[in-house]
Amino acid sequence: GNSVTQMEGPVTLSEEAFLTINCTYTATGYPSLFWYVQYPGEGLQLLLKATKADDKGSNKGFEATYRKETTSFHLEKGSVQVSDSAVYFCANYNQGGKLIFGQGTELSVKP
Amino acid sequence: DSGVTQTPKHLITATGQRVTLRCSPRSGDLSVYWYQQSLDQGLQFLIQYYNGEERAKGNILERFSAQQFPDLHSELNLSSLELGDSALYFCASSVSTSGGNEQFFGPGTRLTVL
Repeated sequence: GNSVTQMEGPVTLSEEAFLTINCTYTATGYPSLFWYVQYPGEGLQLLLKATKADDKGSNKGFEATYRKETTSFHLEKGSVQVSDSAVYFCANYNQGGKLIFGQGTELSVKP
Repeated sequence: DSGVTQTPKHLITATGQRVTLRCSPRSGDLSVYWYQQSLDQGLQFLIQYYNGEERAKGNILERFSAQQFPDLHSELNLSSLELGDSALYFCASSVSTSGGNEQFFGPGTRLTVL
């Protein structure tokens, strides 16, 4: 079945540093891929998505490219801010109607 | 604010008890999903309803059940509660069941079983 593997956290960065959070997936066919973000005490919010190979999703300075050849969807941001501190979840959409989430990566950005 | 509401926000109960969690989807969304978030299991899909009918089932225990009503709100019933059922329970909704559609998440219900 589908699965998602994310790099383990927590990740601690200084403000304005470059961020990469790795995500790889296994799936049957070509699932849609998502990054969700969970701020402290809140539910998940969609950050970005890509629905087919080579698509690049982007939002709020974050980007991720759907790489079929490496089955990856790594999240990047060129310059992180303290307000980006949150838990980030990579997910793919299973044909059976469910989102399969990675274990989440906690990001802490220090001023 | 995602437009998805969940009640109650917090629930504290004892082992063996039964609780009901409620979710109201965004206006116009026909699909409702339930997820469980715990420290050891992470975020896991439980069940999906679309326009009143069960569409997909995940790692949902037999002690748990759900339904979606004609007004599209959904309830998740948890019975014979165990300590390990303590978790955050999220509801999400989407317009349809299409794989590319965004799921909008509610703020969650934190269940504590003592």
